Amino acid sequence: TQLLEQSPQFLSIQEGENLTVYCNSSSVFSSLQWYRQEPGEGPVLLVTVVTGGEVKKLKRLTFQFGDARKDSSLHITAAQPGDTGLYLCAGGNTGFQKLVFGTGTRLLVSP
Amino acid sequence: SQTIHQWPATLVQPVGSPLSLECTVEGTSNPNLYWYRQAAGRGLQLLFYSVGIGQISSEVPQNLSASRPQDRQFILSSKKLLLSDSGFYLCAWRAGSPFGQKAFFGQGTRLTVV
Repeated sequence: TQLLEQSPQFLSIQEGENLTVYCNSSSVFSSLQWYRQEPGEGPVLLVTVVTGGEVKKLKRLTFQFGDARKDSSLHITAAQPGDTGLYLCAGGNTGFQKLVFGTGTRLLVSP
Repeated sequence: SQTIHQWPATLVQPVGSPLSLECTVEGTSNPNLYWYRQAAGRGLQLLFYSVGIGQISSEVPQNLSASRPQDRQFILSSKKLLLSDSGFYLCAWRAGSPFGQKAFFGQGTRLTVV
């Protein structure tokens, strides 16, 4: 069974601080995605990375896929209260079938 | 446009009762379909996925089962619910280009087994 471990599990910070969330696995994935979920709703895709070493930036969010395609990180610069939510990484396998989600990181950004 | 419907939104069932959750997708054909379960504030546990009619892959051996009787219909069932089956159940679909590998989720079903 493929497992994706996220750290930290919970993060509480002040507005303006920077943070990094990690997603690690012993398995190799063909793609790695990051989702954000609000309470009572389904996750919404933020980004997909498919190449080892790939870095993508979306405004204040920076995503990186590890060279070996086993891990990924999400870095948020100058966090805002609107960034509050549950962040989930998800790994896809070759053949575009199984999609495994990580254990989740709950982020709380206080004003 | 593509939409995914999942119902019911909330369900309270006694231990030992049967379960049937239904998910349907509109606006796409031959999608990959998924059932996940989520504990409060935690990640999604993959339960079942399907790449075609009648094709079900089980990830977690337990008292749940899934069926795909039609291309865009995915059903999660149980003959006898356990207390540990409580949780937030999410149905999702994925397809190839032009959607990339994005997963689209239903609104979820909050199941409480009492």
